[in-house]
Amino acid sequence: GENVEQHPSTLSVQEGDSAVIKCTYSDSASNYFPWYKQELGKRPQLIIDIRSNVGEKKDQRIAVTLNKTAKHFSLHITETQPEDSAVYFCAARSKLQGAQKLVFGQGTRLTINP
Amino acid sequence: NAGVTQTPKFRVLKTGQSMTLLCAQDMNHEYMYWYRQDPGMGLRLIHYSVGEGTTAKGEVPDGYNVSRLKKQNFLLGLESAAPSQTSVYFCASTLLAGLDTQYFGPGTRLTVL
Repeated sequence: GENVEQHPSTLSVQEGDSAVIKCTYSDSASNYFPWYKQELGKRPQLIIDIRSNVGEKKDQRIAVTLNKTAKHFSLHITETQPEDSAVYFCAARSKLQGAQKLVFGQGTRLTINP
Repeated sequence: NAGVTQTPKFRVLKTGQSMTLLCAQDMNHEYMYWYRQDPGMGLRLIHYSVGEGTTAKGEVPDGYNVSRLKKQNFLLGLESAAPSQTSVYFCASTLLAGLDTQYFGPGTRLTVL
């Protein structure tokens, strides 16, 4: 089955700097890669996603890149702000027992220092 | 439109007790999922359902059972709770597998003593 590895587990950056979180996946058939943000005590919420037919996608200060050959994808946050502090999860969509489901990485706790 | 809701928000059980967690969605979604979230381990799929009357096992199904008698509800049961089941449980739903955004409920924090 699919295995998703996420690094780093914790990341601390100065406000205004950029943050990068990386994920690798094992199943070459995976074709959809979302990123979720989870604030303390809250539910995970989708912030950006990318499909396997696209190499990069951007939405204001956040972007995601995908390298299918190397089987890795990354989240980039530019001009970080205090409200970006949260746990971020990557995921890959894989087939299990004929149905498509998300397999999540272990999460990255991002702290933005003022 | 409430989205995905979960009941209860918090619960403390003693080892061996049973309980049921309720997930409800009002978005007419076909797919529903139960995850558990533990520190450093991300979200792990317990069970899922691809439609009313269907259920299937995920990554970590042992010790849990589920039912989907109505399209809008997905129940997660613990027959005999164990301390290893202390976790935060999230329910999620998707309209169809091909329409990918998963919407999560607010979570249930369960402690088993």
